[in-house]
Amino acid sequence: AQTVTQSQPEMSVQEAETVTLSCTYDTSENNYYLFWYKQPPSRQMILVIRQEAYKQQNATENRFSVNFQKAAKSFSLKISDSQLGDTAMYFCAFGNNNDMRFGAGTRLTVKP
Amino acid sequence: KAGVTQTPRYLIKTRGQQVTLSCSPISGHRSVSWYQQTPGQGLQFLFEYFSETQRNKGNFPGRFSGRQFSNSRSEMNVSTLELGDSALYLCASSLVPTAPYEQYFGPGTRLTVT
Repeated sequence: AQTVTQSQPEMSVQEAETVTLSCTYDTSENNYYLFWYKQPPSRQMILVIRQEAYKQQNATENRFSVNFQKAAKSFSLKISDSQLGDTAMYFCAFGNNNDMRFGAGTRLTVKP
Repeated sequence: KAGVTQTPRYLIKTRGQQVTLSCSPISGHRSVSWYQQTPGQGLQFLFEYFSETQRNKGNFPGRFSGRQFSNSRSEMNVSTLELGDSALYLCASSLVPTAPYEQYFGPGTRLTVT
């Protein structure tokens, strides 16, 4: 079975600085997808960024980028120029055609 | 396009009772997944429905069940409620099952069991 581990329950960062959230996963499959979801306080969960495992190039979405290390089964999220609105729970997720697994989440607080 | 809607948003029930939660996916989405979110366990997968059939089921007791209707709307039912069932229940829809398609989440139903 696939597992997703987020080893940082809580993190904080100063506004305008950069922060990296860690995620590791375990799978025996070769084709899968990885996601980072954001859940702001009392708001709906939304997709931040997605990475296809067959692509070597790291995905980027504006201030959000990932460092995907397939051999190490690592998928970290980097947030540049952090904004107050980035304060949220961040969930790393693994998905394939049969399964979707989420990590326990990292609570990120952006401080003014 | 309207997002995923879940009803009710908040619910208080007593131990031993049963509860039914509803989820309406985004128009055109045929896959609906349910998750239980608690502070201690994080997001745990309950089950997934596609074309009125359960495709996958998580590791939950048989008290948790669900179904999907021909219009893709889904319901989940929890019978004989226990205190530990208190959680935020999230529904997510996608065009077709799971990856690589993005799952769109609803606001959740917060269930409190007393």
